[in-house]
Amino acid sequence: AQSVTQPDARVTVSEGASLQLRCKYSYFGTPYLFWYVQYPRQGLQLLLKYYPGDPVVQGVNGFEAEFSKSNSSFHLRKASVHWSDWAVYFCAVSLHYNVLYFGSGTKLTVEP
Amino acid sequence: VTLLEQNPRWRLVPRGQAVNLRCILKNSQYPWMSWYQQDLQKQLQWLFTLRSPGDKEVKSLPGADYLATRVTDTELRLQVANMSQGRTLYCTCSAEGLGANYAEQFFGPGTRLTVL
Repeated sequence: AQSVTQPDARVTVSEGASLQLRCKYSYFGTPYLFWYVQYPRQGLQLLLKYYPGDPVVQGVNGFEAEFSKSNSSFHLRKASVHWSDWAVYFCAVSLHYNVLYFGSGTKLTVEP
Repeated sequence: VTLLEQNPRWRLVPRGQAVNLRCILKNSQYPWMSWYQQDLQKQLQWLFTLRSPGDKEVKSLPGADYLATRVTDTELRLQVANMSQGRTLYCTCSAEGLGANYAEQFFGPGTRLTVL
């Protein structure tokens, strides 16, 4: 079945440390992949998107993600986390035109 | 620039009562409009995508029944009935065409529903 899995429900990192949030997808074909962020008491904002090409895509606020077809993954990374990155991060795949299927989200906590 | 307006932004819903939500599109370059629900556990789920005025769809999910209507090129409505658990409903829009640039969904601010 086609799906998106975020295996880590919660991740805690220290401010200034590096970050990786994991996303695995199951899809027959080449998917369009996205990372969205939801800050506390806010809606969803796009961080970055992937379409076939360079496997490393750059997003806003220093985020990047790497697509791996062999691993069926689209992990999100940041070199140095800031306290303002405290949020829930969602990986999503576009399986059908205009429809996004979301992972269960990873709640990021940033410690001082 | 805000692409979508949603109203109301929040609503207390007596058990057994239906509620009507509106979403207004501010930019006609993104004519594909959709509804997503986010449950209390933060799970996001696609509900409907409606393109043309007059399009209607219904769906029943655990905790609520839905009726979506594309009223005009700029207005999308959602009726939520038989809601037993709170949730947030997001309206989204996307552009016409193919490829990731057109698959991207832009989210509205959401409408938070709480069951009384």
